[in-house]
Amino acid sequence: EAQVTQNPRYLITVTGKKLTVTCSQNMNHEYMSWYRQDPGLGLRQIYYSMNVEVTDKGDVPEGYKVSRKEKRNFPLILESPSPNQTSLYFCASSPTVYGGYTFGSGTRLTVV
Amino acid sequence: KNEVEQSPQNLTAQEGEFITINCSYSVGISALHWLQQHPGGGIVSLFMLSSGKKKHGRLIATINIQEKHSSLHITASHPRDSAVYICAVRGGANNYGQNFVFGPGTRLSVLP
Repeated sequence: EAQVTQNPRYLITVTGKKLTVTCSQNMNHEYMSWYRQDPGLGLRQIYYSMNVEVTDKGDVPEGYKVSRKEKRNFPLILESPSPNQTSLYFCASSPTVYGGYTFGSGTRLTVV
Repeated sequence: KNEVEQSPQNLTAQEGEFITINCSYSVGISALHWLQQHPGGGIVSLFMLSSGKKKHGRLIATINIQEKHSSLHITASHPRDSAVYICAVRGGANNYGQNFVFGPGTRLSVLP
């Protein structure tokens, strides 16, 4: 089944403890991206990747890192999480930047 | 002024009614997407439009590039259509993913 898989679905962590949210797609898509969703602010783009080893910042990249060493994986790294990064995170992929998007199921992160 | 606006913010309809959700944007775009977010949080891409009109089942999406406006129509609405509908626009050809901007969403409730 074609899908975007995010892990974990839920995560509670403490301020400053490095964490990684994984995202993997099995559709050979070139384009992958990360978003966060907050009440009253809606969805906002964090980072995106046009292809392997090609990544760029979205609207809210501060406090996040990404890497794209393989086409299928696009992990989101929080080196030193802070409470303002408590949010619902989505990963998405598409064949190209112009293609239709497939979203992961979301990761609800709480930083205390 | 927000770059992407949607109306109405909330909408309650009776089963069977024809529904229209509107999206207006103020930036130049290469494409517009309609997304559906279910109460459980999952996001599904419904349409990608760069011109004209698309239809999928009971859903119809239109876009008027000159007027910077798009509409999502649902015919013969059903309670399972209850969700948040999000309009998202992507920047022009030279701005591949960075200007993926989301509207605030329209919360639709369809009553049986």
